[in-house]
Amino acid sequence: AQSVSQHNHHVILSEAASLELGCNYSYGGTVNLFWYVQYPGQHLQLLLKYFSGDPLVKGIKGFEAEFIKSKFSFNLRKPSVQWSDTAEYFCAVTSDSGYSTLTFGKGTMLLVSP
Amino acid sequence: DTGVSQDPRHKITKRGQNVTFRCDPISEHNRLYWYRQTLGQGPEFLTYFQNEAQLEKSRLLSDRFSAERPKGSFSTLEIQRTEQGDSAMYLCASSLLPAAVSYNEQFFGPGTRLTVL
Repeated sequence: AQSVSQHNHHVILSEAASLELGCNYSYGGTVNLFWYVQYPGQHLQLLLKYFSGDPLVKGIKGFEAEFIKSKFSFNLRKPSVQWSDTAEYFCAVTSDSGYSTLTFGKGTMLLVSP
Repeated sequence: DTGVSQDPRHKITKRGQNVTFRCDPISEHNRLYWYRQTLGQGPEFLTYFQNEAQLEKSRLLSDRFSAERPKGSFSTLEIQRTEQGDSAMYLCASSLLPAAVSYNEQFFGPGTRLTVL
């Protein structure tokens, strides 16, 4: 069975600070990796995804993530956060086995102070 | 709005009552998923449909839970004899049938928040 671990449950940053949210997954096969974001009062939205190819993927709103296969990691980064980035961030994985159900981490709540 | 919609958005019920939620996926999407999210947790998979066929059910889906997608369009999730532990956000997502390389993006609805008193 696959699992996802997000190391930080709560992160507080000031505007313009750099962000890195950790995500590790457990699965022995080929995976697809995702970061979803949930802004206050809104539904889950896809930030970015890794399917194959370049392990450094860029998403919306200046976010990027790097897939490091040897470390089973898919950390999310942003060089300079904004107050509007305040949200909950979820890392998720789906295996490349033909099934498509997502396994999510517990989420990281990011609070950016102006 | 052509996204995934869910109804109702909030439901408060007493323990032992039955509740039913509805999900309308994006119109051309073949796959429909149900997830449950409790406080402090990420969404957990419950079940999914490909067209009208229910292809997988999580062990989280006890026999009090039943889901249908009768015409391959909207879906309902029913919980019978609700318990306080059923209090959660119930999320629906939809996606296209994955291509041969099995990638798919799931689009989520706003969820139905269930509170069991």
